[in-house]
Amino acid sequence: GQNIDQPTEMTATEGAIVQINCTYQTSGFNGLFWYQQHAGEAPTFLSYNVLDGLEEKGRFSSFLSRSKGYSYLLLKELQMKDSASYLCAVKGGSYIPTFGRGTSLIVHP
Amino acid sequence: DGGITQSPKYLFRKEGQNVTLSCEQNLNHDAMYWYRQDPGQGLRLIYYSQIVNDFQKGDIAEGYSVSREKKESFPLTVTSAQKNPTAFYLCASSSRTSRSTDTQYFGPGTRLTVL
Repeated sequence: GQNIDQPTEMTATEGAIVQINCTYQTSGFNGLFWYQQHAGEAPTFLSYNVLDGLEEKGRFSSFLSRSKGYSYLLLKELQMKDSASYLCAVKGGSYIPTFGRGTSLIVHP
Repeated sequence: DGGITQSPKYLFRKEGQNVTLSCEQNLNHDAMYWYRQDPGQGLRLIYYSQIVNDFQKGDIAEGYSVSREKKESFPLTVTSAQKNPTAFYLCASSSRTSRSTDTQYFGPGTRLTVL
């Protein structure tokens, strides 16, 4: 089976940096995805990691360590519109993504 | 514009009635998926299809049925056997399931409320 763990909720201040962690245990590994989901809307793709290291995309970066079963999403220069749920999803041996419960990020002024 | 459409956005049904949720994509994707999302929960896989006329059960398939008669369409029927059907239902598609890099694209979702 697969197990994906991420914090339920985080709060941060506008302009700050926040790191959202995701740990996983899977049978096989074929990539890790991060999605952003605003309340009542569809998830939208943020980033993808399959090799160890950091992937940077504007204000958002994602890191992966396959040996530790660990990833994080780093959000810089936080804006109010970044308040959303952030979903970690892992493709195991079946190539079908399994999603974590999501981390609700609240950005306050 | 390419994308995934789901209709309707809100759906109300009486307990004991079957209801079918629509999902259409014009991305020419082979793979399609149905997820259920409950408050404070992640996405749980109901069914997925890798090719026309074939589909597989996900983690929570009981009380649901699907069909894949056309590449573009993957409707989900919530049957009266589903004990707790009130939820937010999301449809997704990807180019295929067998490549690591293939990203899922999601429709806007249907919020089903059973009264």
